[in-house]
Amino acid sequence: QVQLQESGPGLVKPSQTLSLTCTVSGGSISSGGYYWSWIRQHPGKGLEWIGYIYYSGSTYYNPSLKSRVTISVDTSKNQFSLKLSSVTAADTAVYYCASLLIEWFDPWGQGTLVTVSS
Amino acid sequence: SYELTQPLSVSVALGQTARITCGGNNIGSKNVHWYQQKPGQAPVLVIYRDSNRPSGIPERFSGSNSGNTATLTISRAQAGDEADYYCQVWDSSTGFVFGTGTKVTVL
Repeated sequence: QVQLQESGPGLVKPSQTLSLTCTVSGGSISSGGYYWSWIRQHPGKGLEWIGYIYYSGSTYYNPSLKSRVTISVDTSKNQFSLKLSSVTAADTAVYYCASLLIEWFDPWGQGTLVTVSS
Repeated sequence: SYELTQPLSVSVALGQTARITCGGNNIGSKNVHWYQQKPGQAPVLVIYRDSNRPSGIPERFSGSNSGNTATLTISRAQAGDEADYYCQVWDSSTGFVFGTGTKVTVL
């Protein structure tokens, strides 16, 4: 089964852009059938879907975040990435990458905490 | 936007049955998926498409979905089942939606 691992800065300043990368191992991101997703969880709160990308580059974003989100894919590195612009303290969360098959997410990466603070 | 409502907490005696509900408008017309999240860990899929178990998930976990309520049932509850549980659906207007989450305590 594939494994996913998030990486990126754990601290981002307000108004800057949050950037994270998810590395996929144990399978090819270009194999098709799977969509590559980002999900976040605010401290002590529930889960919020951010968006997904297909290996071809097609994307779909949560309407509530769409204006600030960009997800991209690098098939040569078997990675996909998240950029969230103009961050505020409300964007402090654990960010997960996950594989999306049809309608469900499986598996997930271990998650990475990103804190927005000056 | 589409919303999913879960009870904040459910308690179950060791070895008994826990039922976690997930309420949504006509949720029976959607496919419901369930995740288990233990403290400090990523969510794990335990049920997909209402009632299907991924490989490695014990038969003690089962699901149903009808009308305005989907239910995750944990039979013969064990201490290791203590976790937060989230339901999730796809909605054509909202995208992927997660429930509010339920904390299961095994007494």
